Parts: sequence; structure tokens; C-alpha cells
Amino acid sequence: DTEVTQTPKHLVMGMTNKKSLKCEQHMGHRAMYWYKQKAKKPPELMFVYSYEKLSINESVPSRFSPECPNSSLLNLHLHALQPEDSALYLCASSQISRGHNTGELFFGEGSRLTVL
Amino acid sequence: QQPVQSPQAVILREGEDAVINCSSSKALYSVHWYRQKHGEAPVFLMILLKGGEQKGHDKISASFNEKKQQSSLYLTASQLSYSGTYFCGTEGVYDYKLSFGAGTTVTVRA
Repeated sequence: DTEVTQTPKHLVMGMTNKKSLKCEQHMGHRAMYWYKQKAKKPPELMFVYSYEKLSINESVPSRFSPECPNSSLLNLHLHALQPEDSALYLCASSQISRGHNTGELFFGEGSRLTVL
Repeated sequence: QQPVQSPQAVILREGEDAVINCSSSKALYSVHWYRQKHGEAPVFLMILLKGGEQKGHDKISASFNEKKQQSSLYLTASQLSYSGTYFCGTEGVYDYKLSFGAGTTVTVRA
């Protein structure tokens, strides 16, 4: 199984809503990532988890709250988002090699978020 | 810090070759290359590591000049399936995080 599965594929939420994005992988990868991608732009790193612990937070606003309940799952909790947060949110996983350097990334298909 | 990619876009006919360049201002540990087709997730193509190790796609090649902090991706005898946006990602020796360049849109026409 070489897939990263993300749910939901599409999400529309109001600025006062609370929702969550979910990501699952069964490749035994111990690093998991959240990236944000706007149209015609590259993916931007948000968070990195290594061995289920948050290792990188790229100064992401607190309205985004990541969680890694176990080595296969990664969640992104959303609360009080702004319209400019509308984007494709990509989850990825990789093996951890040579310490903490990023290995080959396996991306999920993403969750397309629209904030009204 | 985001690497710089060039060109921004390239149009090819099937069978033609192209080179995509990626440069960084910081000392690099690795360079990754990914291709993203419209509406799909990025797909791994190649990783080049400091010290010369490479891992990746059989039909696509790349080079990594560590001293110049530059990498190039070579699309040889392009096929229609090569169309998409190519992103290089760079990881610094000290920062342990992958940052992507702005991307190069490749269009291969029959």
C-alpha cells in the first residue's frame, strides 16, 4: 500500500465553524507533513511531525491546529478560519532517513477547502 | 528560503528535450524534484543528496552541483505524459525542511 488517503476531498466552511482534515498512511512512514497550496503556487510547508511529535511549525496561525494521534494518522483541526485560508491542503509522508532530513514525499490528493 | 526555478514555462513537441534549473542561496543537503498534473497531487521524481547519492525515476535524469547550490532536471525525448508543473524542493544542510520553488509548467504537444 503506497497511498496517502485524505478526507474530505472538498470542504466548505464558514468563518465560525470548526472542522478537521484527516490523513492516513500505512507505509510505516514516521514523518508526516501538512502543506498548503494556493492555485498556481508551490506547496508551502505548514507542519512536520517526526515520530508522532511536532518537529516543525512554520509560524502557522493558531486557527490551524495539527494533531498526530498515532504513526498512521495526521489531523488538521480548523477553527475561525479566514477566506484567505481557502486552498488545497496536502498531507504527505516519508521515511525518516539520515536523521531528520526529508525523504521521498508521498502526497495525498489533498483536501480542497473553501472558507466563506 | 524558496529556491529559484527557471524557466517559468516551456512548450515542447514530442521527442524534444528540455532542461529545468533550480538554484538556492543556501548550502544544500538535498534537492527533490516533483511533477504535479492539473488537479492531482505532486508525484516524486528524483532526490539528489549531498555527496552524490541519487534516487529516482528511470526515464528522467538530474544533476546536482553542491558547490554552486544548483540542480538541473533533464527531460529527454519528451512524451505527452511529461506535461505538468515541475517543482524543485531544496533542503538546507541545517534546516531539515523542504521548500519548493515556484514551479515550471511544461506543455508537450503532439
